[in-house]
Amino acid sequence: SQQGEEDPQALSIQEGENATMNCSYKTSINNLQWYRQNSGRGLVHLILIRSNEREKHSGRLRVTLDTSKKSSSLLITASRAADTASYFCATVPGGSGNTGKLIFGQGTTLQVKP
Amino acid sequence: GAGVSQSPRYKVAKRGQDVALRCDPISGHVSLFWYQQALGQGPEFLTYFQNEAQLDKSGLPSDRFFAERPEGSVSTLKIQRTQQEDSAVYLCASSLGSINSPLHFGNGTRLTVT
Repeated sequence: SQQGEEDPQALSIQEGENATMNCSYKTSINNLQWYRQNSGRGLVHLILIRSNEREKHSGRLRVTLDTSKKSSSLLITASRAADTASYFCATVPGGSGNTGKLIFGQGTTLQVKP
Repeated sequence: GAGVSQSPRYKVAKRGQDVALRCDPISGHVSLFWYQQALGQGPEFLTYFQNEAQLDKSGLPSDRFFAERPEGSVSTLKIQRTQQEDSAVYLCASSLGSINSPLHFGNGTRLTVT
């Protein structure tokens, strides 16, 4: 079963604009990760934020985590046409031992128009 | 190899046939995961290996699904007596094995059961 929900399900923006995607989850977590998937391909890891962190940056990506609200957001700044893809948040649930098993959300489909 | 390799890339099976899907993880990766991804959905966890030990098979949908990793490297997901609802993309991922290790995904095998 899925861990939570992502919002919006689909997002269409112009190149150069910022894109914000939100993710909510249901259980306690060890960490939360964001992945990207291009059509017909596997998932690519973007960024990991631990449960005791509130914000993390990587290049044009900014991730926030609010454990009290059980939510996270991914911000992509200055978007490019090449950012067009589906984006998934995934959590390592608390109490999952040391497996690193990920539970994925439903994903947000981002289209960046040139 | 440089990444996780899955074969075949596409598989068409008649209902009732058995199929075997192969995953070659990144060398040295302890953990190996299988996920099932339906069209337009996020990946759903199937099973997890630590080296050759199958430590979690809670996501396997029925006893028709069987996975193995006999030497702690290559893994095979076998589906017996395939049914139409088995049609999906099957993704394999590997990681170094710690709780904060990101998953590295293959490009998946798209299974179509006719």
